[in-house]
Amino acid sequence: QVQLQQWGAGLLKPSETLSLTCAVYGGSFSGYYWSWIRQPPGKGLEWIGEINHSGSTNYNPSLKSRVTISVDTSKNQFSLKLSSVTAADTAVYYCARIGKGSDFWSGTIYWYFDLWGRGTLVTVSS
Amino acid sequence: SSELTQDPAVSVALGQTVRITCQGDSLRIYYASWYQQKPGQAPVLVIYGKNSRPSGIPDRFSGSSSGNTASLTITGAQAEDEAEYYCNSRDSSGNHLGVFGTGTKVTVL
Repeated sequence: QVQLQQWGAGLLKPSETLSLTCAVYGGSFSGYYWSWIRQPPGKGLEWIGEINHSGSTNYNPSLKSRVTISVDTSKNQFSLKLSSVTAADTAVYYCARIGKGSDFWSGTIYWYFDLWGRGTLVTVSS
Repeated sequence: SSELTQDPAVSVALGQTVRITCQGDSLRIYYASWYQQKPGQAPVLVIYGKNSRPSGIPDRFSGSSSGNTASLTITGAQAEDEAEYYCNSRDSSGNHLGVFGTGTKVTVL
C-alpha cells in the first residue's frame, strides 16, 4: 500500500524559507506527477505546484516567484521550498500523488489527487 | 483567485439526496475531481473522471458534468457525509495548472 510521509519545520519567522519533504513508500515513484497543496486555517485548498520523476515542474502563478519543487528519485522523495515567507503563508501543507486519465469515448482529460500526506502545519510568526 | 466556483453551503436531510455544483470555464475541457474533507483531516478523493469512485468510496457518491458545470451527488446522505467538499480541475489557460473550487460545506440534518 502506497503511503506518503511528509516532514519539515513547523515554525518559521517572516522572511525565512519554508522547507518540506515528502517520501513515497510502497509503490512506484516514476510515472506520476507529485504535488504540494496548502490550506490556510479555516480556508480552502490552494494548489502550489507539481513535479514528475524527471524534474518537470508546474507552479501556481501566484507563488511561482518564491516556490521551488524538486525531486530525489534515489530516495523516492520530493520537496517544497517557499522563500520569503510571511504570515499569509501560514497553512497546513499537504503532499499528494496525481493520477491522470482520459475518457475512452470523449477523450476528455482529467487529473486527480488520489493519495495525500497527513499534512504539516507551518506557522509563520515573529 | 479561484476559477472554480462552488456554493458555500448546502444542507440535506438524513437519507435524502443533495447535489453540489462546481462552475468554471475549464470544466468545458476537463473533468473535475471531488474531495471530501472532515475537520482536522486530509482531503479524500471521492469522484474522478467522468464518474469513477476510488476503492472504498460508497456508491451513493456519483459525479456528472454538463457544459461548464460539474456536479457531485450524494444519494441517501448519511451523517458521516457531513463535511467540506472541494472540486478540482485544471485552469482554462491551457497551461494545465491546478485549481481548486471554493468549497461547499454539507450539513446533514
